[in-house]
Amino acid sequence: EAGVTQFPSHSVIEKGQTVTLRCDPISGHDNLYWYRRVMGKEIKFLLHFVKESKQDESGMPNNRFLAERTGGTYSTLKVQPAELEDSGVYFCASSQGLTTTYEQYFGPGTRLTVT
Amino acid sequence: AQSVAQPEDQVNVAEGNPLTVKCTYSVSGNPYLFWYVQYPNRGLQFLLKYITGDNLVKGSYGFEAEFNKSQTSFHLKKPSALVSDSALYFCAVRVKGSGYSTLTFGKGTMLLVSP
Repeated sequence: EAGVTQFPSHSVIEKGQTVTLRCDPISGHDNLYWYRRVMGKEIKFLLHFVKESKQDESGMPNNRFLAERTGGTYSTLKVQPAELEDSGVYFCASSQGLTTTYEQYFGPGTRLTVT
Repeated sequence: AQSVAQPEDQVNVAEGNPLTVKCTYSVSGNPYLFWYVQYPNRGLQFLLKYITGDNLVKGSYGFEAEFNKSQTSFHLKKPSALVSDSALYFCAVRVKGSGYSTLTFGKGTMLLVSP
């Protein structure tokens, strides 16, 4: 069974540019999550999709971040325009069920560097 | 608000010795607790979880963790460390019945096992 995949693995962009990150969850997982880790700090929740609907987007930092999950399969996270403080590792995770007992399976992350 | 504390940025242990990586949590309600490990250039891998029942939970790669409600702790342990255990370890919590399945993470502890 393929795991969660993310693309690209690394991205280096200049301040003011746009970047789009992609996440492909494990097949059949309705729940998809985005998290971010800024260097040396906690991994922080960004948002949660159930199928194509946003269940919780309370962690999105501001309106420069836009997440979509058209068709309830893969998801994209767009940052436009990027700022220096957006640098970090963006993780995607998926889980099978809605109950809190299900563990989340994480992708390898996308390391975003904004210069 | 829920939070997780990992008081040690780094833990050093010699191969063959027992290891402990500390985690304490703060939640309003009953916690579900998780440990994840991140090897270099890899995503987060699920190690173990506490949902209910026995306070001692056994997980992957010989790791175990003990849930201590009175001390609000969930320390990760292994009787005999291996060099290959060197990695970044994250403790995480969810609140049972909160309606949300997102994880709150600690900032991570780097485990270095020397030969």
